[in-house]
Amino acid sequence: DVKVTQSSRYLVKRTGEKVFLECVQDMDHENMFWYRQDPGLGLRLIYFSYDVKMKEKGDIPEGYSVSREKKERFSLILESASTNQTSMYLCASSLADLSTDTQYFGPGTRLTVL
Amino acid sequence: GQNIDQPTEMTATEGAIVQINCTYQTSGFNGLFWYQQHAGEAPTFLSYNVLDGLEEKGRFSSFLSRSKGYSYLLLKELQMKDSASYLCAVLDSNYQLIWGAGTKLIIKP
Repeated sequence: DVKVTQSSRYLVKRTGEKVFLECVQDMDHENMFWYRQDPGLGLRLIYFSYDVKMKEKGDIPEGYSVSREKKERFSLILESASTNQTSMYLCASSLADLSTDTQYFGPGTRLTVL
Repeated sequence: GQNIDQPTEMTATEGAIVQINCTYQTSGFNGLFWYQQHAGEAPTFLSYNVLDGLEEKGRFSSFLSRSKGYSYLLLKELQMKDSASYLCAVLDSNYQLIWGAGTKLIIKP
């Protein structure tokens, strides 16, 4: 079974703080993704990575950065958290073929920025 | 722009059949996914369609018409555990997934 884990289920931070969200997958997947999910909106892609040290911007990269130093780990960084970044953050991973491979999701991190 | 439309909420009765529709307008098409997401949990994969027609998988079936930009997810013999949100997502020409907002399905006894 593919397992994708995220470092925290719930996180509360203050405006201006630097926030790290960690994601780890144990199935040797090449691709990893960070999404945010907000009520009434579809999942929106923040960044994705198709290999170690490689990253691509998604639809809403502003205010975020990512790091992939090891294949199994993909980190999302909020350099200076703002209240409009309060959201559910979902990490996902998939095998190499983006055209057919199912994405497997972690349990999500609900981030609240006060 | 790219757009995925699905109803916000649907209600059905335990034991019945329900059809959740999804229409899409995307730049290119490389397949359509359906995911199930229970409240507070991660989305989990249900089905993938890339060719026109019906794909059946137990109580769940998914249909695709590429010419109409249309798909539906059919759930038969509904059970209370099927109460969840159902997400439609389309793989565009850049192999990026475009997600619908999801349909919340409420099952009543």
